[in-house]
Amino acid sequence: SAVISQKPSRDICQRGTSLTIQCQVDSQVTMMFWYRQQPGQSLTLIATANQGSEATYESGFVIDKFPISRPNLTFSTLTVSNMSPEDSSIYLCSVSKWSGYTFGSGTRLTVV
Amino acid sequence: AQKITQTQPGMFVQEKEAVTLDCTYDTSDPSYGLFWYKQPSSGEMIFLIYQGSYDQQNATEGRYSLNFQKARKSANLVISASQLGDSAMYFCAMREGDGGAQKLVFGQGTRLTINP
Repeated sequence: SAVISQKPSRDICQRGTSLTIQCQVDSQVTMMFWYRQQPGQSLTLIATANQGSEATYESGFVIDKFPISRPNLTFSTLTVSNMSPEDSSIYLCSVSKWSGYTFGSGTRLTVV
Repeated sequence: AQKITQTQPGMFVQEKEAVTLDCTYDTSDPSYGLFWYKQPSSGEMIFLIYQGSYDQQNATEGRYSLNFQKARKSANLVISASQLGDSAMYFCAMREGDGGAQKLVFGQGTRLTINP
């Protein structure tokens, strides 16, 4: 299975600012997935990122709020823009390799 | 409609006992995969076990086994001889269709607490 390095592991941010989360994979993968986990909740898919094309966003998530970059087959970034306290969550990236899904270690974001 | 349903928000079990975590799913796709993940308080997602829709036998991985009842659309996780380190959130997830281009959909999760 793939190994993912996700950064930062945690951050405390002021409302109105933006945070960019990075995921680096140790091998080439076609799709990368970005999830949000609000406190005490399950994982909800934000978007699917394919290299060379626009990310596909799930209902309730928009590109202006969560822009995604996928410059190559091993790297992706998710930006949380114009943050509010409601954005306080764990954000996780995930990839699929050989029918299994691997997750990054997560970014624990607190917006104050 | 919910694709994945976990009806047990929390479970408390004595150490060394076996525990079953329930998961039911809903799909019309004949090809799908079912996954269980463990999430400790650190937040990482740890893969436990996988069951494919065409697999003839129930999956097993060490102390974890999956009780797959296709007709009932259930995929319960069984943990044998529970340990204190098993205390965590457990998520059931489903992939519809084949291949890695398909997203995972997660259930609500079950918080398992192992008591000494």
